[in-house]
Amino acid sequence: EDKVVQSPLSLVVHEGDTVTLNCSYEVTNFRSLLWYKQEKKAPTFLFMLTSSGIEKKSGRLSSILDKKELSSILNITATQTGDSAIYLCAVVSGAGSYQLTFGKGTKLSVIP
Amino acid sequence: DVKVTQSSRYLVKRTGEKVFLECVQDMDHENMFWYRQDPGLGLRLIYFSYDVKMKEKGDIPEGYSVSREKKERFSLILESASTNQTSMYLCASSAAGEKTQYFGPGTRLLVL
Repeated sequence: EDKVVQSPLSLVVHEGDTVTLNCSYEVTNFRSLLWYKQEKKAPTFLFMLTSSGIEKKSGRLSSILDKKELSSILNITATQTGDSAIYLCAVVSGAGSYQLTFGKGTKLSVIP
Repeated sequence: DVKVTQSSRYLVKRTGEKVFLECVQDMDHENMFWYRQDPGLGLRLIYFSYDVKMKEKGDIPEGYSVSREKKERFSLILESASTNQTSMYLCASSAAGEKTQYFGPGTRLLVL
């Protein structure tokens, strides 16, 4: 059974801090890993990392895939209160698969 | 912009009622998904569909059924609602061959 584990489950930081969120996975035939940000409602897509593209960056957010360690990190620098959300990691495995296996998420709270 | 809409944001039903949750996407996506999200459990896949009239069971299909009569619409049906089906229900869609899923705003269902 595919497994995705995120840590920590929750995190409280002050504005301006840098945070690192972790995602590890145990899946058969890994295809790609996705990060989503969920505020009050729908998860919104952040990054997709595949075996051929192991680092992505967008503004203050960046993510790296470590194929050897079967894990990924999501970094947020100079955090703002608007970064407060649940961050979800999901993995696609299996040839031709469209299914995502999600971790339980990391709840990030950024306080002024 | 991809748009995924769900028929209700909040819904209150009684035990034993039949419940229909509707999801519509306007991007001509082939794949559509239904998840439920519960605290401490993350997102869990209930059913998905990769074509009209096609459906596949996800991780927790018990107590649910689905219908995909048109490409843009994917319905989740609770034949006889029970209190343990109180949850947030999220619909998502993706294009054929694409791993990125786009989510609707969610329906928060309370079964009394």
